[in-house]
Amino acid sequence: AQSVTQLGSHVSVSEGALVLLRCNYSSSVPPYLFWYVQYPNQGLQLLLKYTTGATLVKGINGFEAEFKKSETSFHLTKPSAHMSDAAEYFCAVTNYNQGGKLIFGQGTELSVKP
Amino acid sequence: ETGVTQSPTHLIKTRGQQVTLRCSSQSGHNTVSWYQQALGQGPQFIFQYYREEENGRGNFPPRFSGLQFPNYSSELNVNALELDDSALYLCASSPDRGQYNEQFFGPGTRLTVL
Repeated sequence: AQSVTQLGSHVSVSEGALVLLRCNYSSSVPPYLFWYVQYPNQGLQLLLKYTTGATLVKGINGFEAEFKKSETSFHLTKPSAHMSDAAEYFCAVTNYNQGGKLIFGQGTELSVKP
Repeated sequence: ETGVTQSPTHLIKTRGQQVTLRCSSQSGHNTVSWYQQALGQGPQFIFQYYREEENGRGNFPPRFSGLQFPNYSSELNVNALELDDSALYLCASSPDRGQYNEQFFGPGTRLTVL
C-alpha cells in the first residue's frame, strides 16, 4: 500500500524567506509524485510532478521539488516566498498499476507574513 | 478551452436523503475521477471512469455510485446520506487514464448533511 505523510499541518514564513514543505511517502514500487496547491474555495492546481528521470523537478510559480529515494522524500521548496503563495499544499503519490488513483497527504497550510 | 466545471457549488441535504453531483470534464478528456475532501483533510479517491466504464474504486461503500456519459461528463450519486458524508467533492478529468497524466480539478461541490 502507498501512503503520504506531510510534516507540519501549518507552516508560516515571512515574505522573501525560503519556503520548505515536507513530504515523505511509502511505496513498495517506484512512485510517481505530485504537489498540488489549493486556494480558498477553489479546486487543486498541479504545481509539479515526478515520474521518471531527473530527480530535481521544477514547477510553476518558482517552486521545485527533489525526489530522494534513499530518504523516501519529495520536499517542496521555493527560494523566496510571495504573499500570493499563501494556500494549502498537498503532496500525492501513485504508481504504474494504480490507474490514476492519487493518494494525498493531509495537506500543509502555508501562511506568508508581510 | 473550458476547464472542469461542477454543479451545484453548494448543497444542503438531510440524513437519509439522496444526492447527485455533476461534473463536466475538460474538452478532449475521456477520464474522470471523483474525490472526497473532508474538512482539514486531503482528498480521498472515490472512483474513476474511463470511456463510460468504472476504472478503479477507492474504499467507499456501494451507496456511492457514478456514471459517465458519452460526452465524458459524469455524475456522482450518494444514497442514504450520513452526517460524515459532509465534505467537498472534487471532480478531476485527464486526457487518458494513464497513471501520470495530470488530473485537472474542478472547484468542487460543498455538500452539507444535517
